[in-house]
Amino acid sequence: ELKVEQNPLFLSMQEGKNYTIYCNYSTTSDRLYWYRQDPGKSLESLFVLLSNGAVKQEGRLMASLDTKARLSTLHITAAVHDLSATYFCAVQAYSGAGSYQLTFGKGTKLSVIP
Amino acid sequence: SAVISQKPSRDICQRGTSLTIQCQVDSQVTMMFWYRQQPGQSLTLIATANQGSEATYESGFVIDKFPISRPNLTFSTLTVSNMSPEDSSIYLCSVFKGASDEQYFGPGTRLTVT
Repeated sequence: ELKVEQNPLFLSMQEGKNYTIYCNYSTTSDRLYWYRQDPGKSLESLFVLLSNGAVKQEGRLMASLDTKARLSTLHITAAVHDLSATYFCAVQAYSGAGSYQLTFGKGTKLSVIP
Repeated sequence: SAVISQKPSRDICQRGTSLTIQCQVDSQVTMMFWYRQQPGQSLTLIATANQGSEATYESGFVIDKFPISRPNLTFSTLTVSNMSPEDSSIYLCSVFKGASDEQYFGPGTRLTVT
């Protein structure tokens, strides 16, 4: 059974600071996703990481994937209040009969404080 | 990309009744999924609903409680049967687009059972 662990689960940051969210998973996978969820909203796709060593950046967020270590990171640079949200990582695994499924981490609730 | 709509967006239901949630996608997709997100929690996969085959349920979810239909490549329904307060959750429809390796989520249906 695929397990996905995120840490920290709660993160309070000052504006302008940097921090990293970690996502570890238990079995081999080549696809890892990062999503953002605002309160009362659905999930917004941030990044899809498809191969070992993949790095993607969008604004103040940068995600990377190390498939050998089964680890992905989401790095936040110079945080701003608008980044306050819950961030989920999700790992895709083959579930049989030509289908795939995502297993989610518990999420990291980020609060950026002025 | 994929634009997903769900109906209803929210509902308050009485214990013992059933509710059918509809999911409509703006393009044809093979892989469609139903997730549940309990308050303050992560997402849990209920079932995979691929067109042309019976839905595949995850451990802890059964067809009698969560019957699913998938009549075509753009539509699916999830019924929550004989509801109890423990079924109060957000139910999300999701699709996987192989061409982009993206998995998209609908806006969710917020269900409260009294």
